[in-house]
Amino acid sequence: GAGVSQSPSNKVTEKGKDVELRCDPISGHTALYWYRQSLGQGLEFLIYFQGNSAPDKSGLPSDRFSAERTGGSVSTLTIQRTQQEDSAVYLCASSLESGHNEQFFGPGTRLTVL
Amino acid sequence: DQQVKQNSPSLSVQEGRISILNCDYTNSMFDYFLWYKKYPAEGPTFLISISSIKDKNEDGRFTVFLNKSAKHLSLHIVPSQPGDSAVYFCAASEGGANSKLTFGKGITLSVRP
Repeated sequence: GAGVSQSPSNKVTEKGKDVELRCDPISGHTALYWYRQSLGQGLEFLIYFQGNSAPDKSGLPSDRFSAERTGGSVSTLTIQRTQQEDSAVYLCASSLESGHNEQFFGPGTRLTVL
Repeated sequence: DQQVKQNSPSLSVQEGRISILNCDYTNSMFDYFLWYKKYPAEGPTFLISISSIKDKNEDGRFTVFLNKSAKHLSLHIVPSQPGDSAVYFCAASEGGANSKLTFGKGITLSVRP
């Protein structure tokens, strides 16, 4: 079956512009996560959606970052007024609500802010 | 404050030998630990996991050991194969199912033919 897909695969933007990154989770997965990986760093948690519960936004680095998950499926991560330090690979993952923590990751979106 | 630490950035081993990748953590609330493997330009792929109620989990060539008192875990790959060359991330979570993961910085494993 299809895995987690993300679009675009690469995004180059100018400082100050807004960007939207999209994630399509695996069908039937109720949990969806966003992480980012900056150069030379591990993956950093950003936000987590689980079913109809309020999302866990504790990892969002600033109020310029927001995310939505419509209809319990597709998610969009929005970064407003991008800064150069936002440059990173943004990874989306999904998992079943099954008491198991295996998260399946998409290929990521590489964001470059000039 | 790094809660999950992979102190060695790289490891090189000969094909057929054992690879031992180490990971330390500081948060005693972590109750589930995972290893992910990542190739360039791809997302991480789940490899193996272990619950804090166990001290060992084995899956084929991969074995994860957990030492809770030392807050240390390790991934053993034996025998190592050239296709194992990748970046390996240690990750941990607390609070049970489907929790956010805290990752280490990763270690680059190179398996020489």
